[in-house]
Amino acid sequence: AQTVTQSQPEMSVQEAETVTLSCTYDTSENNYYLFWYKQPPSRQMILVIRQEAYKQQNATENRFSVNFQKAAKSFSLKISDSQLGDTAMYFCAFMKHARTPGNTGKLIFGQGTTLQVKP
Amino acid sequence: EPEVTQTPSHQVTQMGQEVILRCVPISNHLYFYWYRQILGQKVEFLVSFYNNEISEKSEIFDDQFSVERPDGSNFTLKIRSTKLEDSAMYFCASLDGISYEQYFGPGTRLTVT
Repeated sequence: AQTVTQSQPEMSVQEAETVTLSCTYDTSENNYYLFWYKQPPSRQMILVIRQEAYKQQNATENRFSVNFQKAAKSFSLKISDSQLGDTAMYFCAFMKHARTPGNTGKLIFGQGTTLQVKP
Repeated sequence: EPEVTQTPSHQVTQMGQEVILRCVPISNHLYFYWYRQILGQKVEFLVSFYNNEISEKSEIFDDQFSVERPDGSNFTLKIRSTKLEDSAMYFCASLDGISYEQYFGPGTRLTVT
């Protein structure tokens, strides 16, 4: 079974600074997807960034980038130039690859990291 | 931009009552999901639904829960006899079969008293 672990329950960062959120996972699959979701106080789940395991290149979306280390089963999220609106809970999630037999597309989430951006 | 919608946003019910949570997934998506998040905790998978049947369910999804797609647009989660521990945020999601990204609705906050 797959597991996702986020070992930092809470983090804080000064506005305009850079912060990195950690995520590790465990799987026997060779191909899969990894995601970061943001959950602001409104509790809406917003997709931040997506990584396919077979792609060597780390995904980037504007100020958000990941450091994907497949051998170490690590998937950290870097937020550059932090903004007050980045204050939220961040969840790392795993999904089996589309072509995995029997895959239903369910997401397995970590426990979440609460990020506070301070002015 | 298409989005997943959920109604109601907040439901208060008494223990033992039945509740139905409603979702309208994105129209061209074929895979649908329900997740649950107890306040302050992680998001937990409940059930996935494809081609008008359950494709996977978790241990949480016991006989008290059921899902249905009664027409071409709605996707519902029914809890037959609610318990206090069913109080949580319930999220519906649908999957883009090309990008394999899941899009979440805004959630329904269920409070069981």
